[in-house]
Amino acid sequence: DQQVKQNSPSLSVQEGRISILNCDYTNSMFDYFLWYKKYPAEGPTFLISISSIKDKNEDGRFTVFLNKSAKHLSLHIVPSQPGDSAVYFCAASGLQTDKLIFGTGTRLQVFP
Amino acid sequence: GAGVSQSPSNKVTEKGKDVELRCDPISGHTALYWYRQSLGQGLEFLIYFQGNSAPDKSGLPSDRFSAERTGGSVSTLTIQRTQQEDSAVYLCASSLSGAGANVLTFGAGSRLTVL
Repeated sequence: DQQVKQNSPSLSVQEGRISILNCDYTNSMFDYFLWYKKYPAEGPTFLISISSIKDKNEDGRFTVFLNKSAKHLSLHIVPSQPGDSAVYFCAASGLQTDKLIFGTGTRLQVFP
Repeated sequence: GAGVSQSPSNKVTEKGKDVELRCDPISGHTALYWYRQSLGQGLEFLIYFQGNSAPDKSGLPSDRFSAERTGGSVSTLTIQRTQQEDSAVYLCASSLSGAGANVLTFGAGSRLTVL
């Protein structure tokens, strides 16, 4: 039972354009959502999070949008840079546990 | 330490052998997690330690997998009688547990290859 889903395994975007990565979830008890970035041979690193009481959180070039009614969140990166090329994981946690449930990841490639 | 340290970084073993993977979390972090990433897959939760509470073992795929955390710090993940499907990158993470977004800090992982 995949509670957090990233349906696009890969995304290719030109440098300077917007990258939009999507994530869907099934459990309405999730109350925090996080995005992690992973480079090859490294552990995932935290990027940005959002609480379920908000619908948007922005940090520099990164913005996360949450649509609770649709159980959908997205990460926008603008402008995209070649250094953003990595695998992006969406994750969620709930009130009753600190355990993070991760999606399967989306590989973003930003080309010049 | 400054970050989460994992060893070995790479381990090649023969099917049927036991392996131990070690994790040194960030000093002061009360929560410790093990995840694994198989080829082409996402991050699969294995086990979670929080302080002195009983660990959440709900993600362990079989009874060949076990983990312990000694003294509330270092953790060892043990896989007995390894199988080829155990080949994966095993990731350890730690966090300051508490209310709010639980930001995990990951180590670089231990890549296990079972021949």
